[in-house]
Amino acid sequence: KAGVTQTPRYLIKTRGQQVTLSCSPISGHRSVSWYQQTPGQGLQFLFEYFSETQRNKGNFPGRFSGRQFSNSRSEMNVSTLELGDSALYLCASSLGGISDQPQHFGDGTRLSIL
Amino acid sequence: AQTVTQSQPEMSVQEAETVTLSCTYDTSENNYYLFWYKQPPSRQMILVIRQEAYKQQNATENRFSVNFQKAAKSFSLKISDSQLGDTAMYFCAFTPAYNNDMRFGAGTRLTVKP
Repeated sequence: KAGVTQTPRYLIKTRGQQVTLSCSPISGHRSVSWYQQTPGQGLQFLFEYFSETQRNKGNFPGRFSGRQFSNSRSEMNVSTLELGDSALYLCASSLGGISDQPQHFGDGTRLSIL
Repeated sequence: AQTVTQSQPEMSVQEAETVTLSCTYDTSENNYYLFWYKQPPSRQMILVIRQEAYKQQNATENRFSVNFQKAAKSFSLKISDSQLGDTAMYFCAFTPAYNNDMRFGAGTRLTVKP
């Protein structure tokens, strides 16, 4: 069974641009969560999608958004990029939710803002 | 607000010995889940062990076990017979049972020495 796939693995953008990251969950998994990992702030929860609906949201500005498609694949979009958005963005999938099923993480997308 | 604290930024242990990683958390919730995740240099997060707060019995997974002290809000991870492959960042995480807003600690970098 294929694991969680995140594309691209590396991305370089400049301030003010926007970016879209993609996450394909494990087949059969309906919940997809996104996290931002930085050396300063550590791992922070961005949002979770379940059956195409955002079910939970962390404390991030509206520049961060996401969506989930009918095949459970998810995209995350960041608009008007800032230097502080440089981070490793991790996606995780699970059958139902985070708490009652183990999450499976992808390898992440390393986003660098110049 | 829920917070997770890992007070040991770095630890090292000799191969085959036992090491304990500390984690404390703060919450007013009564029903929640606790996790330990491992992130090796390959950067993929891997679930090590999970504990449901309503279960008094400490979770065990092969060489990994936890000491869950609910009253003290403590959730330490014990790794027995440490192996070189255990070298990684270890994150303690918390999520309430009623939503999926997962909070992570800052992590402990564990190095297993030959």
